[in-house]
Amino acid sequence: EDQVTQSPEALRLQEGESSSLNCSYTVSGLRGLFWYRQDPGKGPEFLFTLYSAGEEKEKERLKATLTKKESFLHITAPKPEDSATYLCAVQAAGSNYQLIWGAGTKLIIKP
Amino acid sequence: DTAVSQTPKYLVTQMGNDKSIKCEQNLGHDTMYWYKQDSKKFLKIMFSYNNKELIINETVPNRFSPKSPDKAHLNLHINSLELGDSAVYFCASSDSDRRGAFFGQGTRLTVV
Repeated sequence: EDQVTQSPEALRLQEGESSSLNCSYTVSGLRGLFWYRQDPGKGPEFLFTLYSAGEEKEKERLKATLTKKESFLHITAPKPEDSATYLCAVQAAGSNYQLIWGAGTKLIIKP
Repeated sequence: DTAVSQTPKYLVTQMGNDKSIKCEQNLGHDTMYWYKQDSKKFLKIMFSYNNKELIINETVPNRFSPKSPDKAHLNLHINSLELGDSAVYFCASSDSDRRGAFFGQGTRLTVV
């Protein structure tokens, strides 16, 4: 069964303290892996798409990487405004393009 | 200019009622979606729809039905509401299945 697992469930960091969020997946053929950010009371906001192992994408303090089994979202020198829930989703081959979502990692950056 | 807008933002209703949630996108996207986010924050696809094809998640009860009057709108109708339907419902759109989707702000549905 296709599955996405994110860890940790929650992460508290001090401002400037770098860390990584994990997204592990098992799918029968990966078409793409997506990262989103969700703020309370709002819809998810698209961040990155990764298609193949070894690929990396960057945006400001965020960097996403992909292997054959997992993806990492690295956060460098985070600021309080980076606090949000980060969601990972995968699109499996032959899935009618549907996304399978993880439960997210709630990131809290303390000033 | 809101890219994907859905109304209402909050909806409180009694069991057994029929309700609708409206969604509009001004991005010119061909594909629109409805998602359900439960209390544990899992997002589950309910429907995806473009001008050619409606794809239904087989786990969605047939009390839920999407209605698309045109390419920019995809409304969600729910008949005979049940307590378990309480959740946040998100509308989204995209112009490619390999790019990220744009989400609306969500509709928090509470069935009492």
